[in-house]
Amino acid sequence: EPEVTQTPSHQVTQMGQEVILRCVPISNHLYFYWYRQILGQKVEFLVSFYNNEISEKSEIFDDQFSVERPDGSNFTLKIRSTKLEDSAMYFCASSEWVEVFGPGTRLTVL
Amino acid sequence: GNSVTQMEGPVTLSEEAFLTINCTYTATGYPSLFWYVQYPGEGLQLLLKATKADDKGSNKGFEATYRKETTSFHLEKGSVQVSDSAVYFCALRAGGSQGNLIFGKGTKLSVKP
Repeated sequence: EPEVTQTPSHQVTQMGQEVILRCVPISNHLYFYWYRQILGQKVEFLVSFYNNEISEKSEIFDDQFSVERPDGSNFTLKIRSTKLEDSAMYFCASSEWVEVFGPGTRLTVL
Repeated sequence: GNSVTQMEGPVTLSEEAFLTINCTYTATGYPSLFWYVQYPGEGLQLLLKATKADDKGSNKGFEATYRKETTSFHLEKGSVQVSDSAVYFCALRAGGSQGNLIFGKGTKLSVKP
């Protein structure tokens, strides 16, 4: 069964550093998403992406965040200058009709 | 705004016990409702869904009925197994077929043999 993959599984970084989280969506899906879950809290929507542009974004998705589909297969989330409060599990998802989620990347900002 | 409230966990049950995880929602219009499950070390997996009032979603012995009058979508299973131990998330989508999902906090279920 097709699946969404994410790398790395765990990323540790220093505050202020840039991180790029990578996702490979399911190949025939057209909609892509990033969600995050801070430990012990809700899964929160960050951004959706369709037709090579952002279709919707939440208040969390400020100027420090960006998304890109650089090569037609990968879908990346970049955080330019990480903060302590960015520590969370980041989930990528892709969708034809229903979201299929990846296993997540655990980001730890020290 | 739109929101989902689900019962706090953790929930600990013995094998073959009856499971109910409560979920209520607040939304404008007619949202679609979902239950996702997250097994240890894995991503979120769709368990079941319902797209309109009185629809019943079912999968793997789990059921949930979309109740518009009580704005609820409670998850039930008649006889849980150890392998059902996971975190269960209730979610809604209010913005059409590709609007973003709004999740509850999740309920951790532990089933003991």
